[in-house]
Amino acid sequence: TQLLEQSPQFLSIQEGENLTVYCNSSSVFSSLQWYRQEPGEGPVLLVTVVTGGEVKKLKRLTFQFGDARKDSSLHITAAQPGDTGLYLCAGQNSGNTPLVFGKGTRLSVIA
Amino acid sequence: GAGVSQSPSNKVTEKGKDVELRCDPISGHTALYWYRQSLGQGLEFLIYFQGNSAPDKSGLPSDRFSAERTGGSVSTLTIQRTQQEDSAVYLCASSLVPGASGYTFGSGTRLTVV
Repeated sequence: TQLLEQSPQFLSIQEGENLTVYCNSSSVFSSLQWYRQEPGEGPVLLVTVVTGGEVKKLKRLTFQFGDARKDSSLHITAAQPGDTGLYLCAGQNSGNTPLVFGKGTRLSVIA
Repeated sequence: GAGVSQSPSNKVTEKGKDVELRCDPISGHTALYWYRQSLGQGLEFLIYFQGNSAPDKSGLPSDRFSAERTGGSVSTLTIQRTQQEDSAVYLCASSLVPGASGYTFGSGTRLTVV
């Protein structure tokens, strides 16, 4: 069974601070996705990374896929209260297998 | 439809009763997934439908759980003889094709077994 470990589990920071959350596995994934989930809603896709070493930017969010395709990080610059939510990483072993999700990092940004 | 629709949004049932949860995926999406999210836990895979292929049932936790997808569209997840440990949010997602295209999730059904 492939497992994705996310850290930290909880993070509470002040508006304007920077933060990084991590997603690690002992398994290689063909692709990795990041989702954000707000209370009472389903997760919403933020980004997909497929190439080892790939870096993608989405406004103040920077996503990186590890060279060995076993880990990923999400960096948020100048966090805002609207960034508050549960951040989930999910990996896929091959195109025809369901995503495996980590337990998530619950981020709270305080104004 | 514009998004993935799940019903009901909330369901309270007595232990031992059967429940049916419905998912209406995005039109044209060939893949449909059911996940379960318990408090403080990540998403636990339950079952996956892809086109006309046999579903991947490897995540179903017991034989009390079953699902079907009729006409390649709407799916129903059935839990028989519900137990308190079945209490969770049940999430449905669909994708255009399997792979790195990403999933679109519904808002989930919050099931509470009392």
